[in-house]
Amino acid sequence: DTAVSQTPKYLVTQMGNDKSIKCEQNLGHDTMYWYKQDSKKFLKIMFSYNNKELIINETVPNRFSPKSPDKAHLNLHINSLELGDSAVYFCASSSSGSLSDEQFFGPGTRLTVL
Amino acid sequence: DAKTTQPTSMDCAEGRAANLPCNHSTISGNEYVYWYRQIHSQGPQYIIHGLKNNETNEMASLIITEDRKSSTLILPHATLRDTAVYYCIVRPLGNTGKLIFGQGTTLQVKP
Repeated sequence: DTAVSQTPKYLVTQMGNDKSIKCEQNLGHDTMYWYKQDSKKFLKIMFSYNNKELIINETVPNRFSPKSPDKAHLNLHINSLELGDSAVYFCASSSSGSLSDEQFFGPGTRLTVL
Repeated sequence: DAKTTQPTSMDCAEGRAANLPCNHSTISGNEYVYWYRQIHSQGPQYIIHGLKNNETNEMASLIITEDRKSSTLILPHATLRDTAVYYCIVRPLGNTGKLIFGQGTTLQVKP
């Protein structure tokens, strides 16, 4: 019973392609996030959605477009992939009503751009 | 930018307590201290958080100094499975409070 799941786990693609990563949570949370972890292992937030509305949008190229069809899903579409997009992308979710404000992370999607 | 300072790495013997320090001298009054860890090739995992009182849960204890400028995460009986990167983060409650990860402390638990 995976709480936060991501597909695919691995993604290898050529420069210039367009790709999507999907995220789903079955925790009933109302907030979802995308993080990027680069080769130096620094983990940075990219986007956050609450009830399908964008609430955090860090300085991310507009080639990255998150889409939240419903509260349980937050997908990440990347256009015109570049070498520097190679990283591990983590999805997370949380409940805005929780006392701990704990974020639950998915297993990550390792994207390799050749 | 991360508002915390942690040692880059630490070792701990299996079965002993692991004490991981964190400095957050510029912490604001509404900011909590959070600890997460990331085991190799996995997503980060929440451990514990606190405002000013010491906290304990099934995973760890969090000791926050009275001036709130530093804290220590304590794993009372470290196991090999506790080998991970531990992140200390300060942030306000609420989903607009970002988790800003620094470099963290790589804890190596040795047999």
